[in-house]
Amino acid sequence: GEDVEQSLFLSVREGDSSVINCTYTDSSSTYLYWYKQEPGAGLQLLTYIFSNMDMKQDQRLTVLLNKKDKHLSLRIADTQTGDSAIYFCARGTSLNSGNTPLVFGKGTRLSVIA
Amino acid sequence: NAGVTQTPKFQVLKTGQSMTLQCAQDMNHNSMYWYRQDPGMGLRLIYYSASEGTTDKGEVPNGYNVSRLNKREFSLRLESAAPSQTSVYFCASSELGTGAYEQYFGPGTRLTVT
Repeated sequence: GEDVEQSLFLSVREGDSSVINCTYTDSSSTYLYWYKQEPGAGLQLLTYIFSNMDMKQDQRLTVLLNKKDKHLSLRIADTQTGDSAIYFCARGTSLNSGNTPLVFGKGTRLSVIA
Repeated sequence: NAGVTQTPKFQVLKTGQSMTLQCAQDMNHNSMYWYRQDPGMGLRLIYYSASEGTTDKGEVPNGYNVSRLNKREFSLRLESAAPSQTSVYFCASSELGTGAYEQYFGPGTRLTVT
């Protein structure tokens, strides 16, 4: 299977919570990232989590990591139409992490219905 | 700071033509990357340069060459363009380090090969 896997599409109603899931295979992954791509733009870092953490919260964003199952999720509370975008999960390793390119999933396209 | 800039924004080539995509960053980053993005395929790494003077192949290097001209600039060359190279190309940069790091992306170059 793919190194980093995500479902391709998610549709939610405005005001609901969105949960975007990601699984990865490489247990040496030390940092796991969520990037957002708005239409016609490049990717921007949303948040990241270190592999020894279970959860990280940043305003409306909650990242959950299950290291045993190699499962990462991004929850967006009170989803707004401005959250419509493609969300990429990515993994990196700690050893010379700046040298080693991140490995990205294929991205989940989130559509928010007003 | 402009961040990561790419030129051109759009390009149409005929099969067999050559061109160079330019990328520059003003963040004094050591590492730079070239990705292509295709529908349903996510981001695929073409080449990267961990530091000035070094370049390495990524997942899909065939048909491309790169030059790390200096610390700021990293160019991608298509010697003989093919329709399969129709894609959106993103350049990114990051700092070296052993912790979490952010890859900063340019706005992309939309290339069509007819």
